Amino acid sequence: DVKVTQSSRYLVKRTGEKVFLECVQDMDHENMFWYRQDPGLGLRLIYFSYDVKMKEKGDIPEGYSVSREKKERFSLILESASTNQTSMYLCASSPMDRVGYTFGSGTRLTVV
Amino acid sequence: ELKVEQNPLFLSMQEGKNYTIYCNYSTTSDRLYWYRQDPGKSLESLFVLLSNGAVKQEGRLMASLDTKARLSTLHITAAVHDLSATYFCAVDGGSNYKLTFGKGTLLTVNP
Repeated sequence: DVKVTQSSRYLVKRTGEKVFLECVQDMDHENMFWYRQDPGLGLRLIYFSYDVKMKEKGDIPEGYSVSREKKERFSLILESASTNQTSMYLCASSPMDRVGYTFGSGTRLTVV
Repeated sequence: ELKVEQNPLFLSMQEGKNYTIYCNYSTTSDRLYWYRQDPGKSLESLFVLLSNGAVKQEGRLMASLDTKARLSTLHITAAVHDLSATYFCAVDGGSNYKLTFGKGTLLTVNP
């Protein structure tokens, strides 16, 4: 069964900490995405990558960075976590032709 | 900028009834996706619609796409409690790789 795996299901971090959210896919997909989901705001795209070492800003990139050193892994980095980054984070991947997007199980991050 | 509008946002149904969720989008696209999300869980892919007139069915759910009207529908037939969830439509914006989501429809099926 094809999978997108997010390393943590729940995380609690302190304000100001550097936070790494990891995502690994086993489908050899070219494209990978990070979304955050908040009540009333829906899903919003943070960053995406269409190739190794390539990255593009989504709608809300401020306060975040990403890293894609290998095709299967896409990391989201919160440089200095803030309470307004408390959210559900969803990773997704898709093949080059974007016929179907597969989502990971999500990481619920709480910043205190 | 691509905008995706779903309605209704909240839907309370009785078991056995039929209903339709609507998804309108603002710019040309021929790729539309429907997802289901259970509370606290991630998104489960339901349907991928890739061309005008596409219709797909799975169990009590049927999705269709009219690219000329920029409209997709998710029809629920004879609802059962297990269908209670939030349903999202998402539109692929084309070359910018961006998948834009509707706000979701929270469906509650009551006995």
